[in-house]
Amino acid sequence: TQLLEQSPQFLSIQEGENLTVYCNSSSVFSSLQWYRQEPGEGPVLLVTVVTGGEVKKLKRLTFQFGDARKDSSLHITAAQPGDTGLYLCAGPDAGNNRKLIWGLGTSLAVNP
Amino acid sequence: KAGVTQTPRYLIKTRGQQVTLSCSPISGHRSVSWYQQTPGQGLQFLFEYFSETQRNKGNFPGRFSGRQFSNSRSEMNVSTLELGDSALYLCASSLALGRPEAFFGQGTRLTVV
Repeated sequence: TQLLEQSPQFLSIQEGENLTVYCNSSSVFSSLQWYRQEPGEGPVLLVTVVTGGEVKKLKRLTFQFGDARKDSSLHITAAQPGDTGLYLCAGPDAGNNRKLIWGLGTSLAVNP
Repeated sequence: KAGVTQTPRYLIKTRGQQVTLSCSPISGHRSVSWYQQTPGQGLQFLFEYFSETQRNKGNFPGRFSGRQFSNSRSEMNVSTLELGDSALYLCASSLALGRPEAFFGQGTRLTVV
């Protein structure tokens, strides 16, 4: 069974700090996606990484896919209160690529 | 372009009742998936519909069912509600089968008392 483990589970930081959250698996994924979910809302897709070693940047957010395609990280530079939310990673099930496997998420709070 | 619309946003039901939730996907999207989200279990896949046919099903009991209409709108139904069914139910749409990126609605918060 493929699993995605996210760490840390909770993170509370001050505005302006940098942070990294992780999404790890013992299984290979063909791609991984990162979503951000704000309270009372549905997840919003941030990025999809497909190639091992790939790095994608979205303003202050940097996403990296591990060389072996078993893990991914999200680095936020100079965090702002607007970055607060639940960060989720998800990847296609190897046995059925139309079904997504989800991590439990990292809950980030950025304090002014 | 309008996003995914779910109705209602909030529901309170009593144990034993049944409930129907509605989802209108992004215009042009033909695949609709449903998820249950709880703090302890995260997002759990319920089922996926494409062209009015259920194409994928998660590991939920038969009390959870769904359907899709010719205009791609979808409904899910939960019968004989249990306290453990309290959750945020999310609908996601995508262009077609095999496209893993999902666009979510705001969800329906169901509370069973």
